[in-house]
Amino acid sequence: GAGVSQSPSNKVTEKGKDVELRCDPISGHTALYWYRQSLGQGLEFLIYFQGNSAPDKSGLPSDRFSAERTGGSVSTLTIQRTQQEDSAVYLCASSPSGPRNTFGSGTRLTVV
Amino acid sequence: AQSVTQLDSQVPVFEEAPVELRCNYSSSVSVYLFWYVQYPNQGLQLLLKYLSGSTLVKGINGFEAEFNKSQTSFHLRKPSVHISDTAEYFCAVTVSSNTGKLIFGQGTTLQVKP
Repeated sequence: GAGVSQSPSNKVTEKGKDVELRCDPISGHTALYWYRQSLGQGLEFLIYFQGNSAPDKSGLPSDRFSAERTGGSVSTLTIQRTQQEDSAVYLCASSPSGPRNTFGSGTRLTVV
Repeated sequence: AQSVTQLDSQVPVFEEAPVELRCNYSSSVSVYLFWYVQYPNQGLQLLLKYLSGSTLVKGINGFEAEFNKSQTSFHLRKPSVHISDTAEYFCAVTVSSNTGKLIFGQGTTLQVKP
């Protein structure tokens, strides 16, 4: 597509439920990133996929968070047993190479 | 480890006035620097970046920034702002030109008043 597409744009979930957030990167972009934007923590790196290499998971805050990227394209970020502190905007970005990120509009997650 | 500090959380300014948004970084190795803008309910848009070469970098929408290695700064400037520049601005750094894994500052909200 023309840009990075994220779905849903908004998600409200009950505490303890699992959620899946989806990211469709720009076609041909080999790198894909997830960031989290929250009031208390600002913009934080979560995870990074580059081609067929093992992902860089160094930013995931706990083992409740996981992500996969299927076929080198679409990525899903999964949060298990959501907590209120998980409420944030989750941003996805893709890049053809290097620091040339194009960001999506994000998914606003609210845990009630 | 690297870190980024944006010294002002909010900057109010009148339309057509000049503005400077300050950014300082900390790193023991060479860095690559970026400024992004975020309009309400949108993602981040790249304003400009410094990878190498001239320390004065020009970006979109009339913005420019100067990389100052001795002061570890990368301040963003615009000589005359418009109402449409009202947004949140983020400074970011990476230590590799091969990755878009960025460390962001806390952001500065630019409020342009008529």
